[in-house]
Amino acid sequence: DVKVTQSSRYLVKRTGEKVFLECVQDMDHENMFWYRQDPGLGLRLIYFSYDVKMKEKGDIPEGYSVSREKKERFSLILESASTNQTSMYLCASSLTGVDGYTFGSGTRLTVV
Amino acid sequence: RKEVEQDPGPFNVPEGATVAFNCTYSNSASQSFFWYRQDCRKEPKLLMSVYSSGNEDGRFTAQLNRASQYISLLIRDSKLSDSATYLCVVNIAGTYKYIFGTGTRLKVLA
Repeated sequence: DVKVTQSSRYLVKRTGEKVFLECVQDMDHENMFWYRQDPGLGLRLIYFSYDVKMKEKGDIPEGYSVSREKKERFSLILESASTNQTSMYLCASSLTGVDGYTFGSGTRLTVV
Repeated sequence: RKEVEQDPGPFNVPEGATVAFNCTYSNSASQSFFWYRQDCRKEPKLLMSVYSSGNEDGRFTAQLNRASQYISLLIRDSKLSDSATYLCVVNIAGTYKYIFGTGTRLKVLA
């Protein structure tokens, strides 16, 4: 089975801090994704990447950036954390992009 | 109008009951369809893909109606362990983009 690992399960950060969320997958998948999930809003796509060093904006990229220097690792960066970025962050990977995702266990980020 | 819509529920059903959820989508270019299951405070997990001909996996049956633009999930002989939120997911043709519904919550009662 594909394993997608997110580095932290829970994080608490202060407003204005730069925050790094790391995601690693072990199945040589081309495609990786970052979502946030909020009650009543469902999952919303922040960024995705279909190859090393390639990235595409999703629906809500503002306030975020990403890095994909190696195929297995996709990092989400909050340049200057704000309280409205308090959320559950989910990383996912997919072999073809159309075969469904495997999600990591999520990082629950609280910005205070 | 949301691109993918689901009744949020909760659907409260007794053990052993049959329950069905629908999910409507608005983009006719949608090409791939999935049902995911999400337990409380956990990540979504792929339950099943939905094929044009419909598909069945044990107690679970998924169907696609392209003409009316909806997919359905039927659960027979509900178990307590089926209690979860079920997410409908749609992929738009020619894109890597998946659109998630906000989920339907199911509670199976003893």
